[in-house]
Amino acid sequence: AQSVTQLDSQVPVFEEAPVELRCNYSSSVSVYLFWYVQYPNQGLQLLLKYLSGSTLVKGINGFEAEFNKSQTSFHLRKPSVHISDTAEYFCAVSEGTAGNKLTFGGGTRVLVKP
Amino acid sequence: DGGITQSPKYLFRKEGQNVTLSCEQNLNHDAMYWYRQDPGQGLRLIYYSQIVNDFQKGDIAEGYSVSREKKESFPLTVTSAQKNPTAFYLCATRDVGASGYTFGSGTRLTVV
Repeated sequence: AQSVTQLDSQVPVFEEAPVELRCNYSSSVSVYLFWYVQYPNQGLQLLLKYLSGSTLVKGINGFEAEFNKSQTSFHLRKPSVHISDTAEYFCAVSEGTAGNKLTFGGGTRVLVKP
Repeated sequence: DGGITQSPKYLFRKEGQNVTLSCEQNLNHDAMYWYRQDPGQGLRLIYYSQIVNDFQKGDIAEGYSVSREKKESFPLTVTSAQKNPTAFYLCATRDVGASGYTFGSGTRLTVV
């Protein structure tokens, strides 16, 4: 069975500083990996996804993530955050089988301080 | 505009009552999903449906029921058997062959 661990439940960061959100997964097969962002009382919006190919994936709003198969990680980074990046971020994995179910990590709450 | 409509946005339920959450989509996506979100626990899958008139249990189906009579609609009923129903409920869809989901804006259910 697949599982996802987000290592930090909360990450405070100053505006214009870089941020990295850590995500590790476990699976016995090849996976698809995703990062989603959620603003308060809203649904989830896709930031980026890794399906195959280049291990460095660029997404919306200046975010990028790197897939590392040997370390089973998919960490999310942004070189300079804005106040508007304050939100909760979810890493998710799909094995591409059994209905393409997504399994989510517990989320990382990012608080950007001025 | 294509999208997913979840209604109502906020719902209050008395203990012992059944309530139904609506999820309607005009994206023409085949698969639909219901997730429950609790603080610090991420999203957990309740039920999913890949085609009309068929659905499967997810990881936490107990106390919930669904139907899929139309491609556009996948309502979720929270029954009185669900002992801790207060949560944020998210509906999502996925197109055939696509790998990612599209999410609705959610329904916040509170038991009073």
